This record gives sequence, structure tokens and C-alpha cells, in this order.
Amino acid sequence: NAGVTQTPKFRVLKTGQSMTLLCAQDMNHEYMYWYRQDPGMGLRLIHYSVGEGTTAKGEVPDGYNVSRLKKQNFLLGLESAAPSQTSVYFCASSGGIGSTGETQYFGPGTRLLVL
Amino acid sequence: AQSVAQPEDQVNVAEGNPLTVKCTYSVSGNPYLFWYVQYPNRGLQFLLKYITGDNLVKGSYGFEAEFNKSQTSFHLKKPSALVSDSALYFCAVRDGAAGNKLTFGGGTRVLVKP
Repeated sequence: NAGVTQTPKFRVLKTGQSMTLLCAQDMNHEYMYWYRQDPGMGLRLIHYSVGEGTTAKGEVPDGYNVSRLKKQNFLLGLESAAPSQTSVYFCASSGGIGSTGETQYFGPGTRLLVL
Repeated sequence: AQSVAQPEDQVNVAEGNPLTVKCTYSVSGNPYLFWYVQYPNRGLQFLLKYITGDNLVKGSYGFEAEFNKSQTSFHLKKPSALVSDSALYFCAVRDGAAGNKLTFGGGTRVLVKP
């Protein structure tokens, strides 16, 4: 099992450009999440999904959109990148509610620099 | 709203000495608590969790955590630290509402010196 994978690993964008980050999981998990990590602020939830075809806003959703067309994939889009979106982005997945499904498993991250 | 506090930005400890990383939480209802570790340029790795049951939870790599309801704390401990334990540690609490969402603390950097 590859677990949770993220594409790309690193990207540089100019202000106003768009891009899509791809997250894939092979654990048949129902729930998927996108976080951003900034120094001293821990991880903050951007959007999440509780199943194929569903998405919901997290703590810091502005400037991002997501889609979950397939159960194993969760896409994060930036329509018009801003320097404030320079960050490290992590995807995670979990099995959902229940004592064994609570744990979220994380991908290796995507480092994004917006100039 | 739920929250997690990690009061120490950095913890320095000598190899072989006990390691403690502090975490306090605020949540309505029963807390579901987690510890994750992040090594440089890597994603977060799950260490352990408290859902219910014994207050002392054992996890990966020799780590354990003690749940204290009266003090609303969930401190991470290791009896004898290794240089390889140097990393960034995150405490998190699960949102009881839909989505199994986690709220993370700001992280504590652990430096274990030889």
C-alpha cells in the first residue's frame, strides 16, 4: 500500500496563476482532508470530504476549491494564487467515525511558493 | 469551539533522559486526543490516541501519553529519549461534529542532544 500520496511535491507559482493539487489514497477511506501548515500555527483545515461527491469547508477555505469525484482522490484547487497561500499543503484520509476509523493518515506534503 | 494548546515551542533534552511534551485541550463532550510526529520535510506520522479506557496510552517508538480529565491535559512522554526523536510534535483533538475533523496545537519542537 502506498497510503496517501500527493502530487506535485513542490511548485512555484506567480500571483494570479492557478493550479490543482492531487491527493490519492489506496486505503478505501471515506473521509479526506486538506490542511495547510504555516510556521507556529500548526495545521489548519482548508476543506474536507466525508464521501465521494461531498465536500465541506474547514477553518480556512477562502481562495481554495475542492472536488471529490472519486472516492480515492481529493483535489485542491487554487483559482488565482496569492502570496498568502505560500505554505506546505497536506492531505489526509481516515476511515470515518468509530474507534479504528478515527485516525487520520497523512501524505508527504506539497510545498507551494507563490511569488 | 474546541482548542488545543502546546505551551512550549521547543523542548531540549539530553539523550537518555525522560522526555515530556505538554498538551492541554478544551472540548465539549468526551475528548478524542491524538499525538503526531513530523520529521523534517515529511508528513505527519500517527503516534497514539486516546478514545476511551485506560488513562495511560502506549504508542509507537516507545512513546506514551497520559490523559488527565481534571487537568484537561494529554502530555506525551518517553522514558529515555533518543537523538532520533528530534522532530516536531503535534497534539490534536477530534471535533465531535460531523467530519471527524482534527484541531491541532501549534506544535512543539523536540531537540535531543547526544
